[in-house]
Amino acid sequence: DAGVIQSPRHEVTEMGQEVTLRCKLISGHNSLFWYRQTMMRGLELLIYFNNNVPIDDSGMPEDRFSAKMPNASFSTLKIQPSEPRDSAVYFCASSLGPTIHRELFFGEGSRLTVL
Amino acid sequence: ELKVEQNPLFLSMQEGKNYTIYCNYSTTSDRLYWYRQDPGKSLESLFVLLSNGAVKQEGRLMASLDTKARLSTLHITAAVHDLSATYFCAVDQRETSGSRLTFGEGTQLTVNP
Repeated sequence: DAGVIQSPRHEVTEMGQEVTLRCKLISGHNSLFWYRQTMMRGLELLIYFNNNVPIDDSGMPEDRFSAKMPNASFSTLKIQPSEPRDSAVYFCASSLGPTIHRELFFGEGSRLTVL
Repeated sequence: ELKVEQNPLFLSMQEGKNYTIYCNYSTTSDRLYWYRQDPGKSLESLFVLLSNGAVKQEGRLMASLDTKARLSTLHITAAVHDLSATYFCAVDQRETSGSRLTFGEGTQLTVNP
């Protein structure tokens, strides 16, 4: 069974450009998490969904960030406009539903560099 | 706000030695997870601890959970170089509509020959 699949793996863009990161969940999982990892701040939860519904987006840095889950198996994280301080590795993770324990399965990450 | 603190943050040890990594958290929870991350790689689940007194072992690693003390430990026995990685604990913070994981800062382990 395929794991969590993220794309792109690497992206270099210029400040002000729009960035879209994509994530495909593990089949049968219905919770989706977006994390950001930097040296300075470690792993930060940006947003998570249960059954396609956003539950907690308090970690989303500001209005430039948005996340969607158009169907049960796919999610996007968009940054518009991007800034150099957004440079980080963005991880997507999925898990079984909230009534079961929260063992997360992580994708390989999308390394974003904003120049 | 839930705080998860790991100690130490950096650990350099000799092969064959034993050591323990500590994970303290600030609010009630009975679900704790340990992950491993190799440089430039993703996070890999190591242990899922779901109750007070839970103990799990895999190879040279053993994890335990004391929910009353709000403490988990990851014990390394007779370390080998392959264990060099960053280890994260994560605590499940249950909310009305679900739950979320809060991660510690990570412990960067280097095992020297």
